[in-house]
Amino acid sequence: GESVGLHLPTLSVQEGDNSIINCAYSNSASDYFIWYKQESGKGPQFIIDIRSNMDKRQGQRVTVLLNKTVKHLSLQIAATQPGDSAVYFCAVNPRGGTSYGKLTFGQGTILTVHP
Amino acid sequence: DVKVTQSSRYLVKRTGEKVFLECVQDMDHENMFWYRQDPGLGLRLIYFSYDVKMKEKGDIPEGYSVSREKKERFSLILESASTNQTSMYLCASSAEFSGSSYEQYFGPGTRLTVT
Repeated sequence: GESVGLHLPTLSVQEGDNSIINCAYSNSASDYFIWYKQESGKGPQFIIDIRSNMDKRQGQRVTVLLNKTVKHLSLQIAATQPGDSAVYFCAVNPRGGTSYGKLTFGQGTILTVHP
Repeated sequence: DVKVTQSSRYLVKRTGEKVFLECVQDMDHENMFWYRQDPGLGLRLIYFSYDVKMKEKGDIPEGYSVSREKKERFSLILESASTNQTSMYLCASSAEFSGSSYEQYFGPGTRLTVT
């Protein structure tokens, strides 16, 4: 089955810095990748997603990079703000069979932004 | 806006009790999911449903069952609660795959404590 892992469980940055959160996946057939943000006391919220036919996708202050060769995914947050402090999860669609939109989640990275 | 609601934010139950967690979504989504979230383990899929009365086991179904009698409602049942089921439970829903997104929409979570 699919496994998803993150390189660092915690990340601490200064306000205004750029943040990079990394994620590795195991199934080379995976074709959909998504990042979620979870603030304290809330459910995960969608940030950005990317299909396997793309290497890069940009949103507002966020960029997702996909390297299929090494099965690596990263989320870049520009000019990080205190409101970005949260737990960030990557998730992958475990391709194969009838997936019904299932996602396999990583363990999460805790991002702390210091003013 | 998609709204996923869960019946309780906090719940305290005794060992051996039967526990019902309810989830309702208002976007006519076909797919619904139950996860549990534990520190360092990310989100783990318990059960999911892709249609009314249809269900499939996720990665950790032992000790749980589910019910989906109506499209908008997905219930998680702990037949006989145990202390190792103390956790945060998250419900999510998603539309039938459109060809571009597997985005799941999450509820706020129920923190269950079994004593």
